[in-house]
Amino acid sequence: QSALTQPPSASGSPGQSVTFSCTGTSSDIGGNNYVSWYQQHPGKAPKLMIYEVSKRPSGVPDRFSGSKSGNTASLTVSGLQAEDEADYYCSSYAGARVFGGGTKLTVL
Amino acid sequence: QVQLQESGPGLVKPSQTLSLTCTVSGGSFSSGDYYWSWIRQPPGKGLEWIGYIYHSGRTYYNPSLKSRVTISIDTSKNQFSLRLSSVTAADTAVYYCARLLTIFGVVSMGEFDYWGQGTLVTVSS
Repeated sequence: QSALTQPPSASGSPGQSVTFSCTGTSSDIGGNNYVSWYQQHPGKAPKLMIYEVSKRPSGVPDRFSGSKSGNTASLTVSGLQAEDEADYYCSSYAGARVFGGGTKLTVL
Repeated sequence: QVQLQESGPGLVKPSQTLSLTCTVSGGSFSSGDYYWSWIRQPPGKGLEWIGYIYHSGRTYYNPSLKSRVTISIDTSKNQFSLRLSSVTAADTAVYYCARLLTIFGVVSMGEFDYWGQGTLVTVSS
């Protein structure tokens, strides 16, 4: 199975919104609603931010939201804060678990 | 609160076997809703799923690693383990154990909701 495709970088100023994309195929993202997103700060373990395309675990701010259209999933971070600067990975199921290559978010 | 902790050697020689154990505390280790997983991250690179195991012992592996990977489970100790044989420098990575939370144990569903802190394994002579 191939990895999901994410842009390598994204940026925004505090208070702005930024959206990351995660592109797959009809065999993964397009074929199920089990897309999840993970936030990873340097030297730390990934943290679940979004599951089942758009659901937030307890404790994740509602500034984080997810969506999907066709073979592409998206994560939007609204009201950017300095602590949102991190790497973000998407994941789905395609007969096996696949991850995207990650997007590094810089808060300007 | 569920906690996962990886343990094992931080240095492995090329061609040898990498062995790691993950100890789980809190929660129900033998619940049918969980798959116990290994994921790795080479330095400066992205995440790669290695495989997972159900409490029954059923395993699923990444096809690209399947010939070298063995994941086992010891429910009496709340532990699961990874063995990766014939390692090379390309296997140098931070290795994470994680819990895949599913719905009724359906492996195509779910997400990784708890992660260990990760352990760096370097393959070098």
